Amino acid sequence: DAMVIQNPRYQVTQFGKPVTLSCSQTLNHNVMYWYQQKSSQAPKLLFHYYDKDFNNEADTPDNFQSRRPNTSFCFLDIRSPGLGDAAMYLCATSGGTSGPNTEAFFGQGTRLTVV
Amino acid sequence: GQQLNQSPQSMFIQEGEDVSMNCTSSSIFNTWLWYKQDPGEGPVLLIALYKAGELTSNGRLTAQFGITRKDSFLNISASIPSDVGIYFCAGLPMDSNYQLIWGAGTKLIIKP
Repeated sequence: DAMVIQNPRYQVTQFGKPVTLSCSQTLNHNVMYWYQQKSSQAPKLLFHYYDKDFNNEADTPDNFQSRRPNTSFCFLDIRSPGLGDAAMYLCATSGGTSGPNTEAFFGQGTRLTVV
Repeated sequence: GQQLNQSPQSMFIQEGEDVSMNCTSSSIFNTWLWYKQDPGEGPVLLIALYKAGELTSNGRLTAQFGITRKDSFLNISASIPSDVGIYFCAGLPMDSNYQLIWGAGTKLIIKP
């Protein structure tokens, strides 16, 4: 039973062509995260939503945007992908009644290639 | 920013050997998490630790939350080929309730 689902698993996009990655969850968690991970490095947090509140990391480029239309879905939009944006993009969720639970559960990731 | 020092960076082991890796921090953490990541997949949570001194097992895996709250270790007993992968520690500092701080990972390789 997949709990955090990312689509697609592999995405090829052209340099400068907008691309959207999607994430859905069946855990009903109130926090959803987007991470970028490059070649065996640790995941790097781009931003997260706590319910509908969007929290951007200070060093996340403006090229990266996110939408969360409801509890279950969250999207990562890359407005003008550059070659340096090729990476694995990971969606994760965490939940809790009194605040974000720290156990983050990850999807399988989307491998983005920019050509 | 805060960092976690994870060591070793990589390990070459024989099947059947025990494995140990650890993470240290210069500041106090409230939570320690250990993840395993296979190539092309997302990280999978192995063990979560919430109390100083806590020792938790998950099959052949054992992890401990250091008593000083600044470190954690993960042990794997009797390693098997499917243990190959990258192991990440992640921690939650005292002054944060959402942003995990990650170690650089330990790559486990089994010698043929």
